[in-house]
Amino acid sequence: DTAVSQTPKYLVTQMGNDKSIKCEQNLGHDTMYWYKQDSKKFLKIMFSYNNKELIINETVPNRFSPKSPDKAHLNLHINSLELGDSAVYFCASSQALQTSGRENEQFFGPGTRLTVL
Amino acid sequence: AQRVTQPEKLLSVFKGAPVELKCNYSYSGSPELFWYVQYSRQRLQLLLRHISRESIKGFTADLNKGETSFHLKKPFAQEEDSAMYYCALFPYNQGGKLIFGQGTELSVKP
Repeated sequence: DTAVSQTPKYLVTQMGNDKSIKCEQNLGHDTMYWYKQDSKKFLKIMFSYNNKELIINETVPNRFSPKSPDKAHLNLHINSLELGDSAVYFCASSQALQTSGRENEQFFGPGTRLTVL
Repeated sequence: AQRVTQPEKLLSVFKGAPVELKCNYSYSGSPELFWYVQYSRQRLQLLLRHISRESIKGFTADLNKGETSFHLKKPFAQEEDSAMYYCALFPYNQGGKLIFGQGTELSVKP
C-alpha cells in the first residue's frame, strides 16, 4: 500500500510523560508535515521538513521535537505532556516544497489521537 | 493577515437538495486554494483544487477573486457526501504549509 502511515493510532498517557508518534511515507515525497487538530476539529500546521531539513516551526513549544532520520520518516517526540496537548495529530507529505500544481498536494496519514490524563 | 474562513460549522441538507459550503480567504497575492474532505473514520484527502477547475464526485468550486471566495457546490447532495469539509489556502514561500478553515460538517439526511 502506498500511503502515509502513523503509529500509534491511539495514545493515552499521563501528564508529565514523554511520548513519540511515528510517521512514514512510501510515496517518495521530499516534504513532510505535522498538523494538530484540536477538539473543535481545527487543523493547524506545526512543522514542515524538506529532505530532512526543518523548514517551518509554527510557534510550537519546545516540548515538541520533530526528528527526520531520512526523508521518508518524520517522527514527533513530545516531552512533559500537558492536558492541552490532547488532540489528533496528522502527518502529511507532498512531492515537493513550494511549487504550484500537483506537487503541493498533501497526502495525510490516518491521524494519532493523543489523550493526556 | 492570511486566513481562511468557513462560516458554517454544520450544514444539514436533505438528499437531492443543492449544497453550498462557503469559504472565504484573506491573502495578498494570487491564491492557490483547495478543498479537502474527511469522511468518518478516514484520513483527510484532497477533493479538488481551484487550478484544476475539475468536478470531483459532482462537486465544483470556483475561485472568485473579487469576493475572495472559493465556495464548494453540488447540485444534488447524496448521503455518502456526509463528511467534514475543509477549505485550505496554500501561501507561497511559506514552507509548504496549508492554512485551513475551521471546517464544515456536512450532514445529508435521507
